[in-house]
Amino acid sequence: EPEVTQTPSHQVTQMGQEVILRCVPISNHLYFYWYRQILGQKVEFLVSFYNNEISEKSEIFDDQFSVERPDGSNFTLKIRSTKLEDSAMYFCASSALTEQYFGPGTRLTVT
Amino acid sequence: QQQVKQSPQSLIVQKGGISIINCAYENTAFDYFPWYQQFPGKGPALLIAIRPDVSEKKEGRFTISFNKSAKQFSLHIMDSQPGDSATYFCAASKTGGGNKLTFGTGTQLKVEL
Repeated sequence: EPEVTQTPSHQVTQMGQEVILRCVPISNHLYFYWYRQILGQKVEFLVSFYNNEISEKSEIFDDQFSVERPDGSNFTLKIRSTKLEDSAMYFCASSALTEQYFGPGTRLTVT
Repeated sequence: QQQVKQSPQSLIVQKGGISIINCAYENTAFDYFPWYQQFPGKGPALLIAIRPDVSEKKEGRFTISFNKSAKQFSLHIMDSQPGDSATYFCAASKTGGGNKLTFGTGTQLKVEL
């Protein structure tokens, strides 16, 4: 069964450093998403992406965040200058249309 | 108007019992209502979803009931099993690709022997 994969599973970084979180969406899906989940809290939408453009972004997705589809398989989330409050689980999701399927997540710890 | 409210926050059910989790939404533009199951350290897994043209959808032991006029929907887990112990999130969105899911706050379900 096709699934969304994410790397790394855990990333530790120092405040102010840049991180890139990587995702491989399900191969025939056209829509891609990033969500985050702070420990013990609900899942929050960050951004959606279609046809090499951002479709929608939340107020969390400020100028320090960017997304890219550098090739035909990967979808990345870059945080330019990490803050302590960026510590969370980051989930990539993809969809052919409405139904979104999530990856296992990357736990980002900012120290 | 974008919120999805979920209750209860936690739930303990005996093996074989019925687990019921409730959600309410505000945005009448929402027309897709999925439930996700999340185990510790894992990503949310799509469990079952409903659209407002039906009032109920059943898949195995899992049933969604939908009340459009009340803007509420609920998940029923029949014959609950210890393996169902997980966090359950309701969500809502508009139909179509690229639309964000708005999640509820989650319900931690524990099924005891």
